Amino acid sequence: GESVGLHLPTLSVQEGDNSIINCAYSNSASDYFIWYKQESGKGPQFIIDIRSNMDKRQGQRVTVLLNKTVKHLSLQIAATQPGDSAVYFCAENRAGGTSYGKLTFGQGTILTVHP
Amino acid sequence: NAGVTQTPKFQVLKTGQSMTLQCAQDMNHEYMSWYRQDPGMGLRLIHYSVGAGITDQGEVPNGYNVSRSTTEDFPLRLLSAAPSQTSVYFCASSYSQGMNTEAFFGQGTRLTVV
Repeated sequence: GESVGLHLPTLSVQEGDNSIINCAYSNSASDYFIWYKQESGKGPQFIIDIRSNMDKRQGQRVTVLLNKTVKHLSLQIAATQPGDSAVYFCAENRAGGTSYGKLTFGQGTILTVHP
Repeated sequence: NAGVTQTPKFQVLKTGQSMTLQCAQDMNHEYMSWYRQDPGMGLRLIHYSVGAGITDQGEVPNGYNVSRSTTEDFPLRLLSAAPSQTSVYFCASSYSQGMNTEAFFGQGTRLTVV
């Protein structure tokens, strides 16, 4: 999961396994959360988002879970593939309104998928 | 569909020089933002805009200026570059409509200040 420090958390999985990446957020007023994937040398790529009035949202091979009680967010990737190897960031909107361009990012988790 | 286009991709500046990082989007998005990313860290918000003519500061605005004269463009200006501004800069644009939200990032500008 996310942590403070110079070394990013890492997760190594075998191809075909399910991956779970965790993120803790700090502001209980945050009302919007996004997961991004960033490959080396590229910009972050939107994966999935969730609003605070939901606790689960599913996409293609991905599921985001939100636990507001403990301020925890997770990204589940089913049947992980080598192409999923990247750094994954969670981001939160602390504006508490409609300003979805103003996000606060976690430090990221490195996912490595072994064939 | 070009999405979010940033120029230049790479830049080396001397301390004290000024320059403008360009960002353009062709998706008619309301929201645009600038972030910087330092090694081992997530992205930190520099400035953002919720529409043409409207800008506001983010988490790390010092040393940077922005303007939003059109919906499409959101340039970031470094008035007097410092080595602490060595970083990778990302521009993003986004919209929100009902339950659907998309946010798009450019490919980044890698800036080195010597």
